[in-house]
This record gives sequence, C-alpha cells and structure tokens, in this order.
Amino acid sequence: SQQGEEDPQALSIQEGENATMNCSYKTSINNLQWYRQNSGRGLVHLILIRSNEREKHSGRLRVTLDTSKKSSSLLITASRAADTASYFCATDGVNSGSRLTFGEGTQLTVNP
Amino acid sequence: ETGVTQTPRHLVMGMTNKKSLKCEQHLGHNAMYWYKQSAKKPLELMFVYNFKEQTENNSVPSRFSPECPNSSHLFLHLHTLQPEDSALYLCASSQDFGTGWEGYTFGSGTRLTVV
Repeated sequence: SQQGEEDPQALSIQEGENATMNCSYKTSINNLQWYRQNSGRGLVHLILIRSNEREKHSGRLRVTLDTSKKSSSLLITASRAADTASYFCATDGVNSGSRLTFGEGTQLTVNP
Repeated sequence: ETGVTQTPRHLVMGMTNKKSLKCEQHLGHNAMYWYKQSAKKPLELMFVYNFKEQTENNSVPSRFSPECPNSSHLFLHLHTLQPEDSALYLCASSQDFGTGWEGYTFGSGTRLTVV
C-alpha cells in the first residue's frame, strides 16, 4: 500500500483563498515533509514537521501532524497565482533512515 | 539554483544507445539519491548512496547502472532502455539522517525520452 497519499488529487481556487491539502500515511514515521514541484522541475522542500510536533508555521504555510490518525495537512493562506504547482508529502519511516517515500501529490491551481 | 545540478536537462535516446545522466552537489551533503518520476505515479526511489557507498537498490533493472565516484557526484548510466523508461529523473542530496535532518535538496531533473 502507498505511504503518503495526498488528498485531493487536484484543487482549483481563486487568488486570495486558502488552500488545504491532506496527506495520510500508514507506518510510524520520524518526520513528515512537504515539497512543491513546478511543472517539469525538481521538488523544492517547503517544511518538515517531526513526529513529536503537532503544528508548524513558515510564512503563509501551516502544517499539522496527527500521529494518532497518521495524517497531516498543509494549509496555504492568502494564495497567489504563483502558488500553482504540485504539492507532495513525504515520510521517512522509523526504520528507513533517510529514505523518503512520496505520495502522488496534489495539483493546486490558483486562478488570478 | 538549489545547489544540486543535473545535466543534461533534456535527453532523447534510442533504445540501443548508451548515455549517462550526471548530478553534482557542493552542499557538503554525504547522501545522494536517484528518483524516477513518471506521469501519474508517485516518485520511485531507485538508488541511495551514503558516503559514496550504495546502500539501496530498489529492484531497479540492470539497464540502469549508478556510479558515485565521490560524495559530490552521482551518475546514472543508461543502456538498452525501453520506451516505458521515459520519465523525469531526479537527483537529490541530503545530510546524514539524524537529529537536525532537514530533508532533501533536489536538482531540476533530466527529462528522458526513449524512442
């Protein structure tokens, strides 16, 4: 089964609105991360939340982690057209060291 | 620029060709990774190198051959590929896993098309 599954697969919003993406995973983790990918480019690390943390902020990003439900959410506030990209969560399992497992991603489109 | 450089950015090759992808980082990281990204599929881990030693080969066909001559450079040698190998190949690097680990730095990828 897939570790790190994002929901929804696609999200379309208007500029200024908030965007929320969810991620679920199946095994115990050390950390959960969110990455962003512009079309055809590499992934850019956005934020990392450790398994003993519940919430983390970075600029317009807010990440929550619920280890009891094995889920995380990424909130982007006051979205901009430039936020249009694919967003991936990635987990490193307790026994997997630095090896990350990625989900299929959420394609976010922010309409001007 | 992220600090991880991949070349070439685009590559078109025939099924009988031999080519190599290159990845270079000068971030002082000692772990490097190859991932394959195909349309509508999650990123697939291919190989992991730690201190230039291969620590993981994720059941990758032998037509893909990695090489890591030092902690800053990583190659992926390609030969007799199939059309289904067409994908975006991403290189990433990271520090040692442990306290303070902050994840991967990715290159921009090589878009490979096998004809």
